[in-house]
Formats: sequence, structure tokens, C-alpha cells
Amino acid sequence: GAVVSQHPSWVICKSGTSVKIECRSLDFQATTMFWYRQFPKQSLMLMATSNEGSKATYEQGVEKDKFLINHASLTLSTLTVTSAHPEDSSFYICSARDPVLRGLVGYTFGSGTRLTVV
Amino acid sequence: GEDVEQSLFLSVREGDSSVINCTYTDSSSTYLYWYKQEPGAGLQLLTYIFSNMDMKQDQRLTVLLNKKDKHLSLRIADTQTGDSAIYFCAESIPGKLIFGQGTTLQVKP
Repeated sequence: GAVVSQHPSWVICKSGTSVKIECRSLDFQATTMFWYRQFPKQSLMLMATSNEGSKATYEQGVEKDKFLINHASLTLSTLTVTSAHPEDSSFYICSARDPVLRGLVGYTFGSGTRLTVV
Repeated sequence: GEDVEQSLFLSVREGDSSVINCTYTDSSSTYLYWYKQEPGAGLQLLTYIFSNMDMKQDQRLTVLLNKKDKHLSLRIADTQTGDSAIYFCAESIPGKLIFGQGTTLQVKP
């Protein structure tokens, strides 16, 4: 079945530094990937939709310059948290959509990245 | 707007049935999903139902959909301690998934 690999699974960084999170579709080509943020004991909040070869679409309230998304190939999207601060600490999860499966079981999730900014 | 609501917590004894409820607002949803999240992990798709179906059964899982009331439920038969997790319902609208807040299922031995 469709597999999405997310890396790293956890990262600790200092305030002011940038962190890159990778999301790869391993056995399918993903024209669309999604980035979510999850606070403890809360739901997943969609941050942005990443489209291969074009600019990401950000949800309202998400800072584009803070959370840089690049989807340069059909199997890789990256989320870079720039100038990270403690309030950016969270669990980030990516999802990729298999265009062949479409709406059925087309959304596959990565295992998440726990970001802690100290 | 789009909104998905779930109760936050459910506690059951091992062997009992668990029923997790969800309501949604967008009547244009084509698919509705149930995902399971274990601590520190991503989301695992448990099951899904197409919006023109009333019920779907998959081994210990039964999904009921009342489209008129926009109500979705997940029943887990013979609940086991390994079922302890957070369960999210989600509705599929064009271009994205909208998630509920998640229901924490606690299974007591």
C-alpha cells in the first residue's frame, strides 16, 4: 500500500535556528501533500497544501515566511520552520495523496515529527 | 463553515464494545474516515465510508452514518487494551480533510 516516510521523527533545536522536515512518498507519486500541526491533546490543524511544481496554499493564519514549503518533486515535500521559537514546538505531520486512489484511501500520513525549540 | 465535533474521552472495560461518535457540518463530504493515533505516532487509517452508505462493517469495526443528521459513529467490538489510542473522525471535502478533535479511548483491563 501507499507509504509516506517523514523525517526526522524528533528534533530539538535552539531558538533562532531553522529546521527542515522531509516528507516522502515511497511507492507512489504525490502531486499534493499536506502539512498539519498538532498541539498536545488537540486535533490536527491543516497548515498548508503543497503542490508539486507550484507554490503552496497556506491556511488562514499560517505565516508563509515562517513555514516554508517546497515540493520540488513528485515524491518529496519539505517544511522548513525558520527562526524557530519555543512557541513553534509542536508535532508536525505530513500527508500525501495518491492520485490513483483519490478519495478512497488516498490520504496516507507520515509518522510525524516532534519539534522542540529550546 | 466546515466543522467536525467529537466527544473527548471514552473509558470502557476490556471485552466491552466502544462507541465513538462524531458530527460534521459539510453535507458535500464524499467520504468520511476514522483514524487511530497512538502516542507519538502518525495517523493510521482504520476505516472509511462513502457518503451514500449507511453502514460498513470490517471485522471488529462497524461504522454507522446518518447523513440526514450528519452523524457518524465507530463501534469497536470486544475492545482490547491495544485499542487504547486517540480516534479521529475526518470528513473529506474538495482538496482536504477536516478532522475532529479526537476521542481518547481508555481501555481498562
